[in-house]
Amino acid sequence: ETGVTQSPTHLIKTRGQQVTLRCSSQSGHNTVSWYQQALGQGPQFIFQYYREEENGRGNFPPRFSGLQFPNYSSELNVNALELDDSALYLCASSLDQAISYNEQFFGPGTRLTVL
Amino acid sequence: EDQVTQSPEALRLQEGESSSLNCSYTVSGLRGLFWYRQDPGKGPEFLFTLYSAGEEKEKERLKATLTKKESFLHITAPKPEDSATYLCAAHGSSNTGKLIFGQGTTLQVKP
Repeated sequence: ETGVTQSPTHLIKTRGQQVTLRCSSQSGHNTVSWYQQALGQGPQFIFQYYREEENGRGNFPPRFSGLQFPNYSSELNVNALELDDSALYLCASSLDQAISYNEQFFGPGTRLTVL
Repeated sequence: EDQVTQSPEALRLQEGESSSLNCSYTVSGLRGLFWYRQDPGKGPEFLFTLYSAGEEKEKERLKATLTKKESFLHITAPKPEDSATYLCAAHGSSNTGKLIFGQGTTLQVKP
């Protein structure tokens, strides 16, 4: 059984650019959540996708957008990058959207640095 | 506003020295309280879910407990391999799909 994978591992961008991060969910999982983790902080919820539909969003501006594909893999897109977007971006997959009853498995994350 | 606060931010223990990590939460309609372990450069690894006050769960040297306002992660006779950041997170009734994380407690266990 393959776990959650994310690509790329590391990424360096300049302010104003756009970035796409990718996540492959664990086999059989139809729900993907994205989190932003700044250095020394806990993860902050960006949004969740359940069967290709957005199912909840945190306090992030519209320049953070996402997609979930029919195979349940997912993308996080960030436009007009700002310095504060520098963080570890985590993807988590679960069997179902009811996350209180379905363990979320986290990927290793993508480290984004904005210069 | 829903909130999760962890203390202390950092904890240094000698091997074998037991202690507890605290997680205070203010969440409407708590559906689940989660504990995760995170090693440097890695994603969080699930440890426990607690659902109601009075519930306890154990795994090796770790025991998690829950009250109506707090959760504790007790570490008994820790070993150096227990060194990591421990994250607490809550899922409330008004938070579709959203886990609210605390800032974490970084534990260092010295041999």
